[in-house]
Amino acid sequence: KNEVEQSPQNLTAQEGEFITINCSYSVGISALHWLQQHPGGGIVSLFMLSSGKKKHGRLIATINIQEKHSSLHITASHPRDSAVYICAVCKKTSYDKVIFGPGTSLSVIP
Amino acid sequence: ETGVTQSPTHLIKTRGQQVTLRCSSQSGHNTVSWYQQALGQGPQFIFQYYREEENGRGNFPPRFSGLQFPNYSSELNVNALELDDSALYLCASSSGLQVTQYFGPGTRLLVL
Repeated sequence: KNEVEQSPQNLTAQEGEFITINCSYSVGISALHWLQQHPGGGIVSLFMLSSGKKKHGRLIATINIQEKHSSLHITASHPRDSAVYICAVCKKTSYDKVIFGPGTSLSVIP
Repeated sequence: ETGVTQSPTHLIKTRGQQVTLRCSSQSGHNTVSWYQQALGQGPQFIFQYYREEENGRGNFPPRFSGLQFPNYSSELNVNALELDDSALYLCASSSGLQVTQYFGPGTRLLVL
């Protein structure tokens, strides 16, 4: 069983739809990242969370430490949001290594 | 742009060769992490350097080695390349541990 799991694996949405991507993890963490990777591109960090909720533009990220679960929401989705969204956690170890989830591939259709 | 740069952007090598990938951290960042991302997979942690010392290592063989310089730039060296080493190699820098990491654009390595 992977230590970090995401759902759905693939997602196709119409422009304007509200999108939710979920992440669950099984280890103790010090922080959780939501990352965005465009096709052929590098990775951009969207949020780093250790509790509660953060909002940036049309993106909202929430985390529930007790339930070991986080969600990334995109409001009023747009074709330029098409990318792979990766959840990554920082383990509570002496090395604080980052473990990446498998990613959710999002395609927003005009 | 994150201020993290990597070179080269693309590289083709043959089995058995050695390769060095470079990463220049964002100004003021003393921590760099390297990741390998195979096609269709999530990134896998290779190792992390903090103030020029290795600070953690993932499940990669010893032929993957690294170095961090006094200016906090970093190198990833891979010896005796294998076909399965073909991947996107990402570096990420941060201003310490347990803080946001900023990723470079990656180096695409193809081993033939």
